[in-house]
Amino acid sequence: DQQVKQNSPSLSVQEGRISILNCDYTNSMFDYFLWYKKYPAEGPTFLISISSIKDKNEDGRFTVFLNKSAKHLSLHIVPSQPGDSAVYFCAATFGTASKLTFGTGTRLQVTL
Amino acid sequence: DGGITQSPKYLFRKEGQNVTLSCEQNLNHDAMYWYRQDPGQGLRLIYYSQIVNDFQKGDIAEGYSVSREKKESFPLTVTSAQKNPTAFYLCASRANTEAFFGQGTRLTVV
Repeated sequence: DQQVKQNSPSLSVQEGRISILNCDYTNSMFDYFLWYKKYPAEGPTFLISISSIKDKNEDGRFTVFLNKSAKHLSLHIVPSQPGDSAVYFCAATFGTASKLTFGTGTRLQVTL
Repeated sequence: DGGITQSPKYLFRKEGQNVTLSCEQNLNHDAMYWYRQDPGQGLRLIYYSQIVNDFQKGDIAEGYSVSREKKESFPLTVTSAQKNPTAFYLCASRANTEAFFGQGTRLTVV
């Protein structure tokens, strides 16, 4: 049972435009959500997170939106840059030391 | 420098042999995790440990074993019972919020 889903395996966006990556979850116990960026043959690096008590968190070019009623979150990257090309994973958890459940990832390609 | 170190980066194993992947962290994190990545399947949780001397099975624990004798170390053994061991293995540690990952170990069974 896939509790965290990223239904778009890939996304292509022009440089300078907005990239929107989506993530859905099924477990209403999740109270903390994270986005990671991953390059091939490397470990994921943390990008941004959001607590379930908020509906938006912003950090520079990255903004995460959370819609609890829809069990949906999205990552917006504005403006997109070629260096943003990578695989993006969303993850969800509850509690401070419990397991992180990851989605299957979305490969973002930012074209010139 | 604080961080998580996985070793080796590349590992080759003959079919039928056990192999142990190392994961060490100096971040003083209580929780540690092992994930496996296969193409198109995201990151799947193998085992995790919330505290020293305690660990829980993740979603795909069959064929794997772990130990957590020290806070800094969480080694993963891939046993001969694991049917498809060739994969990219990632270790992570976490305090309260985000998890930090090592650089991964690519295991290939030959």
